[in-house]
Amino acid sequence: DTAVSQTPKYLVTQMGNDKSIKCEQNLGHDTMYWYKQDSKKFLKIMFSYNNKELIINETVPNRFSPKSPDKAHLNLHINSLELGDSAVYFCASSQGGGAAKNIQYFGAGTRLSVL
Amino acid sequence: EDKVVQSPLSLVVHEGDTVTLNCSYEVTNFRSLLWYKQEKKAPTFLFMLTSSGIEKKSGRLSSILDKKELFSILNITATQTGDSAIYLCAVRSGGSNYKLTFGKGTLLTVNP
Repeated sequence: DTAVSQTPKYLVTQMGNDKSIKCEQNLGHDTMYWYKQDSKKFLKIMFSYNNKELIINETVPNRFSPKSPDKAHLNLHINSLELGDSAVYFCASSQGGGAAKNIQYFGAGTRLSVL
Repeated sequence: EDKVVQSPLSLVVHEGDTVTLNCSYEVTNFRSLLWYKQEKKAPTFLFMLTSSGIEKKSGRLSSILDKKELFSILNITATQTGDSAIYLCAVRSGGSNYKLTFGKGTLLTVNP
């Protein structure tokens, strides 16, 4: 059983389209994250939700909109895709609380290619 | 802004060598430092360090934190080709948002 699962694994689309990436975790965690990893492998936080509440919202274009229907799911919707959005997007989850609980577990990533 | 710097950015060694990867950080209100290994897909958790001077060990991998000098090292002894990966260092800083700031990683290649 995959602990943090993302779909799709690969996404190829044209500029200007709107697309969504889904993430689900079965670890019982209450905090979920979206990261973007660029071509230089730099992993950067985009958003985080804790119990369905947005707690991290980094400087990300407002074309990106996360949505958490429940604490086991965090989806990412991207409007009007641009070439620069091409990257690997990782979902992660952790159990909130003290430092001992803040290990984040990552999904396998979604490789987005915008043509 | 929180900053995490890893060195070297890449490293090529032969099987059996010992390697040391470095991670230095500048963050406000440090909480913990984490090491991850990323092969082709998801980063996988290796260690979390919160206290200075206490070595964490798992097989041939070990790590230690120096909170005074603001750095951590990850050691891998008797390297194997399966150790080839990107090793990521991340730091959690203060606040309730559980945010991790990652370094750019060290690409380790172990040749047979």
